[in-house]
Amino acid sequence: DADVTQTPRNRITKTGKRIMLECSQTKGHDRMYWYRQDPGLGLRLIYYSFDVKDINKGEISDGYSVSRQAQAKFSLSLESAIPNQTALYFCATSDSSRGETQYFGPGTRLLVL
Amino acid sequence: AQSVTQLGSHVSVSEGALVLLRCNYSSSVPPYLFWYVQYPNQGLQLLLKYTTGATLVKGINGFEAEFKKSETSFHLTKPSAHMSDAAEYFCAVSDLGTGRRALTFGSGTRLQVQP
Repeated sequence: DADVTQTPRNRITKTGKRIMLECSQTKGHDRMYWYRQDPGLGLRLIYYSFDVKDINKGEISDGYSVSRQAQAKFSLSLESAIPNQTALYFCATSDSSRGETQYFGPGTRLLVL
Repeated sequence: AQSVTQLGSHVSVSEGALVLLRCNYSSSVPPYLFWYVQYPNQGLQLLLKYTTGATLVKGINGFEAEFKKSETSFHLTKPSAHMSDAAEYFCAVSDLGTGRRALTFGSGTRLQVQP
């Protein structure tokens, strides 16, 4: 089984709809991250959480919110989706006691019509 | 703030040829540096990383990278390309300056390997 899972893997939604992307991990890591990937732009950080009570905005947090329900779960919400939020979204985890390496989930491909 | 520049969004090499993917970074303090690979329809996988110590770092699949502080570079190389190396490669730097340790990624380089 994969260590970092994301659901759904693909999602099509309409402008104005609220959607949630979920991430779960079995690695026991304390830190979790949400990125979006757009062609030619690489990965950009949306939000990150260093533990359940420590949530921080990344460089492109506008239009997004997150919830760290437990150490193993980190959800990303789009309160009112817009077409320019169409992207590939990745969740990642890391262990603060073992360096900065991040481990990525398989991604969620989101299309906002 | 940290930044990463990957020179060349697309690189094409012949099978068996040298692979060289360039990465330059800006940082006010010695950073941690990473190379990740993304195969089609998959997430990112760590290739190698530099934290401290030896500046030549060896990774998986025959790749290596050298940290050159004077040039603020961390270029990725492989002596002989295989068809299976075709993928997108991302260089990343850790945000040590703020103490928060988030990663900043370059825009990626897509490697094409010609038979």
